[in-house]
Amino acid sequence: SQTIHQWPATLVQPVGSPLSLECTVEGTSNPNLYWYRQAAGRGLQLLFYSVGIGQISSEVPQNLSASRPQDRQFILSSKKLLLSDSGFYLCAWSASRDSPLHFGNGTRLTVT
Amino acid sequence: AQSVTQLDSHVSVSEGTPVLLRCNYSSSYSPSLFWYVQHPNKGLQLLLKYTSAATLVKGINGFEAEFKKSETSFHLTKPSAHMSDAAEYFCVATKGRDDKIIFGKGTRLHILP
Repeated sequence: SQTIHQWPATLVQPVGSPLSLECTVEGTSNPNLYWYRQAAGRGLQLLFYSVGIGQISSEVPQNLSASRPQDRQFILSSKKLLLSDSGFYLCAWSASRDSPLHFGNGTRLTVT
Repeated sequence: AQSVTQLDSHVSVSEGTPVLLRCNYSSSYSPSLFWYVQHPNKGLQLLLKYTSAATLVKGINGFEAEFKKSETSFHLTKPSAHMSDAAEYFCVATKGRDDKIIFGKGTRLHILP
């Protein structure tokens, strides 16, 4: 069966520090991969999605970047965190655009 | 443009009473529709999906949803609420290989003892 792992579960980082969140999927190949951010009391905002290795689409211009170095690995990064980067970050995968999304358990990021 | 509207940001029901969470979509074609549930500090879990095979879709935990094309609605229901149903629920629409996945803003369900 397919599983998705996302870590760390919680993270507290000072303003200006770098960020690296990692997500890996097991049990499937060539998945669509997604990074979402969920701010308190708001819905989900799509940050990045990828349909293949090295293929990244950015939905919102911002302080973050994403990379897909391997088929089932998706990394969210920042060189310098801002206070506004605080939030709940969710990684997800799907078999195709109109297939169900499967989410990781999320990372709670607090930038201080 | 395609959009998803969840009509209530908060819904409160008593334990044992029916649940109705409303979702309307705006689209010139029939999309694929999903309901997800999110418990606090957790990822989203798929409850059910509609992909045109049947208008009444049964999901996990006793939830079901009915696709009504004439009303462009996909409301989520459950006959009898349980305390463990307290969570946030998201209605999602997508269509085709290249269209975006559109999330509603979510409905927080409160269960009163």
